[in-house]
Amino acid sequence: NAGVTQTPKFQVLKTGQSMTLQCAQDMNHEYMSWYRQDPGMGLRLIHYSVGAGITDQGEVPNGYNVSRSTTEDFPLRLLSAAPSQTSVYFCASSYFGGPNEQYFGPGTRLTVT
Amino acid sequence: AQTVTQSQPEMSVQEAETVTLSCTYDTSESDYYLFWYKQPPSRQMILVIRQEAYKQQNATENRFSVNFQKAAKSFSLKISDSQLGDAAMYFCAYRSGLETSGSRLTFGEGTQLTVNP
Repeated sequence: NAGVTQTPKFQVLKTGQSMTLQCAQDMNHEYMSWYRQDPGMGLRLIHYSVGAGITDQGEVPNGYNVSRSTTEDFPLRLLSAAPSQTSVYFCASSYFGGPNEQYFGPGTRLTVT
Repeated sequence: AQTVTQSQPEMSVQEAETVTLSCTYDTSESDYYLFWYKQPPSRQMILVIRQEAYKQQNATENRFSVNFQKAAKSFSLKISDSQLGDAAMYFCAYRSGLETSGSRLTFGEGTQLTVNP
């Protein structure tokens, strides 16, 4: 199993540009989520999904869109990048419910200039 | 909404010694799960240990153990016989036991652990 994969690993955007961060998992997990990590703030939930076709907002959803057309993929779209979106982004997946471990991807470091 | 607080931004320990990282949380729920994740310089998030709130016994995983105090809403991590490879950022995280909450994790701010040789 490849686990949770994310592309790209690094990205630099100009303000106003859009892009999609890709996330895929091959563990047949129902639950997938996106977090952003900023210094001194831990990881904060952006959006999550409990299955194909079902998504919901987390703590910091503004400026981001998601969709989940398959169990495996959960892309995160930045609609119009802003410097405040400079961060490290993590995708995670797990089985739904219980104390199931969430498996994290390697992260994407995004810089918006 | 639940909150998780890690009041120690940085900690250091001598190799082979023991260190305890603190975590407190705030919730009105009785059913939940708590986790400690480790993030080394590689940036990869690694699960260290987990605790179900309904279990009175503290979880242990080799050199890692927790002190779970439900009434005090405290969940500290003890690392025994510290090794250089334990140097990392450690995050405490909370997950509700309610199915309507999905599997969302609420993280603390993190504690940067340095291990001195």
